[in-house]
Amino acid sequence: QVQLVESGGGVVQPGRSLRLSCAASGFIFRSYGMHWVRQAPGKGLEWVAVIWYDGSKTLHADSVKGRFTISRDNSKSTLYLQLNSLRAEDTAVYFCARENWDYGRYAIDIWGQGTTVTVSS
Amino acid sequence: SYEVTQPPSVSVSPGQTARITCSGDALPKKYPFWYQQKSGQAPVLVIYEDSKRPSGIPERFSASSAGTMATLIISGAQVEDEADYYCYSTDSSGNHRVFGGGTKLTVL
Repeated sequence: QVQLVESGGGVVQPGRSLRLSCAASGFIFRSYGMHWVRQAPGKGLEWVAVIWYDGSKTLHADSVKGRFTISRDNSKSTLYLQLNSLRAEDTAVYFCARENWDYGRYAIDIWGQGTTVTVSS
Repeated sequence: SYEVTQPPSVSVSPGQTARITCSGDALPKKYPFWYQQKSGQAPVLVIYEDSKRPSGIPERFSASSAGTMATLIISGAQVEDEADYYCYSTDSSGNHRVFGGGTKLTVL
């Protein structure tokens, strides 16, 4: 079945870096755009970044632009998010998600279960 | 940056109709998607392309839109519909994706 499994979360000090991974299975990964979405404790969903199916284009939210970078390795069916210069306000559960135009342009249809990033000294 | 706005909470009794709104300047051209998130779980797509339901989503879920406001409608809300609901859309350029702040639906 279609599955997204995130990993790489943990506790990190402010200013440090972390790389999140999302392993995809059950579908042709290279055919789909992919997103990262985060959710701070007790807060709502915040869109973070998207990468085109072939990696040719990326978009990042203003709140993370210049600090976070989305990338992908289609040969490994894996999505990444590089988090640099981390701040306390980056503490959140990070979800990877699939974009599927079968449901309309920009539609996100499948989500992973998330990985938790805690930024604390 | 672009924003879409939702009310923080909506409350109905079982069997009543729940309406959750989402407002944004680009909504007349960019239909929002609606997601349901139950506590501790990942979000689930419940409405796409204005008012279509993915397989497995009950018929009581629908949506409408008028101008800069879209509405998720749950006809005959059930206790199991208690959850946070999010609209998701983009600005007119497609370069700024955004979730609404979320609406907590209480059914009791």
